[in-house]
Amino acid sequence: QKEVEQNSGPLSVPEGAIASLNCTYSDRGSQSFFWYRQYSGKSPELIMSIYSNGDKEDGRFTAQLNKASQYVSLLIRDSQPSDSATYLCAANQAGTALIFGKGTTLSVSS
Amino acid sequence: NAGVTQTPKFRILKIGQSMTLQCTQDMNHNYMYWYRQDPGMGLKLIYYSVGAGITDKGEVPNGYNVSRSTTEDFPLRLELAAPSQTSVYFCASSYPTRDRARGSTDTQYFGPGTRLTVL
Repeated sequence: QKEVEQNSGPLSVPEGAIASLNCTYSDRGSQSFFWYRQYSGKSPELIMSIYSNGDKEDGRFTAQLNKASQYVSLLIRDSQPSDSATYLCAANQAGTALIFGKGTTLSVSS
Repeated sequence: NAGVTQTPKFRILKIGQSMTLQCTQDMNHNYMYWYRQDPGMGLKLIYYSVGAGITDKGEVPNGYNVSRSTTEDFPLRLELAAPSQTSVYFCASSYPTRDRARGSTDTQYFGPGTRLTVL
């Protein structure tokens, strides 16, 4: 069965610190990897996608992918209280449904 | 573009009642999906569609039905509501593409969700 695993947290970091979120996946055929942010009571919002091994940076966010280790991570630099949310890791092959992890809850304290 | 819209936002059903959750997208996406999210859990796929007239089961299809008569609409039907169907339901859409540099890509966009309670 295809699975995406995440630590549920909560992960607590002080404001201004780097938050590191990790995820592993079981399906070696997965081609696309996504990080969604979900605030309580809201729908998932895409913040990063990554398709190739290595790092991808977008503002304060950096996604890292290692297909050999089947590992995806998200780094949030200069964490802000507004970053407090649940972060969902997801993977799929194009044209198939996303397989989601259960999410990691991040709490950024001011 | 409104993106993906869902109605209703909230609904309370009695056991055995039926209802339809509506989902519409205006991005001309060919793929559409229905997920459910239980508290503290990730999203589980109920049904999906790769185009008008084509639907297929996901991980948790029992108790649900779908149809896809147009590109824009993908309603989810609950025939005999049960307490186990209490959940938040999200509709999503995407347009898988093939990019020479990145390979196949498929970004899914989500609607605001429908919170359903079955008592």
